[in-house]
Amino acid sequence: AQKITQTQPGMFVQEKEAVTLDCTYDTSDQSYGLFWYKQPSSGEMIFLIYQGSYDEQNATEGRYSLNFQKARKSANLVISASQLGDSAMYFCAMRASTGANSKLTFGKGITLSVRP
Amino acid sequence: DVKVTQSSRYLVKRTGEKVFLECVQDMDHENMFWYRQDPGLGLRLIYFSYDVKMKEKGDIPEGYSVSREKKERFSLILESASTNQTSMYLCASHRGYQPQHFGDGTRLSIL
Repeated sequence: AQKITQTQPGMFVQEKEAVTLDCTYDTSDQSYGLFWYKQPSSGEMIFLIYQGSYDEQNATEGRYSLNFQKARKSANLVISASQLGDSAMYFCAMRASTGANSKLTFGKGITLSVRP
Repeated sequence: DVKVTQSSRYLVKRTGEKVFLECVQDMDHENMFWYRQDPGLGLRLIYFSYDVKMKEKGDIPEGYSVSREKKERFSLILESASTNQTSMYLCASHRGYQPQHFGDGTRLSIL
């Protein structure tokens, strides 16, 4: 069974500073994918970044980067130069790359508040 | 851009009613999903479908059913709504190993 753990309480960061949101995972699969989604207060889930288990380099998408440490089973999201619009809930998710089994397992989420 | 459209942003129904939540995607995705989201519990998978007329139970299917008669449409049905089904419902779709794309969600209240 797959499991995603996000244990940080609500996070606060000053505008323009960087912040790291933690995610650890547990799986017995060798091939899997890790995702981060953002959910603003309006409710829609926005895909941010993806990391494959065999990717040798950490994924980056603009101000988002994923600090992937496979041996430690962690996939932390780093947001650089925080903006007020980054205030939202953030979810880490995992998918086993096993053909038709394309379900995502989500963590419980972390609330990020950016202070001006 | 992928567009996943859920029929209602807000919905209020009464206990015992039959409730339909509709989801339509415009990118010919074979995989579609229904989740519910509750505070402190994250997203939990109710049902998913990887082809027309195919459906698979997720982690919490009790009290729900689904229908997928056309590839672009995936419906979630609450046969007899109960107050513990008050929640945020999210539909998602994707193809292959692409990320799931979500609709805007439906906040359902059962009175």
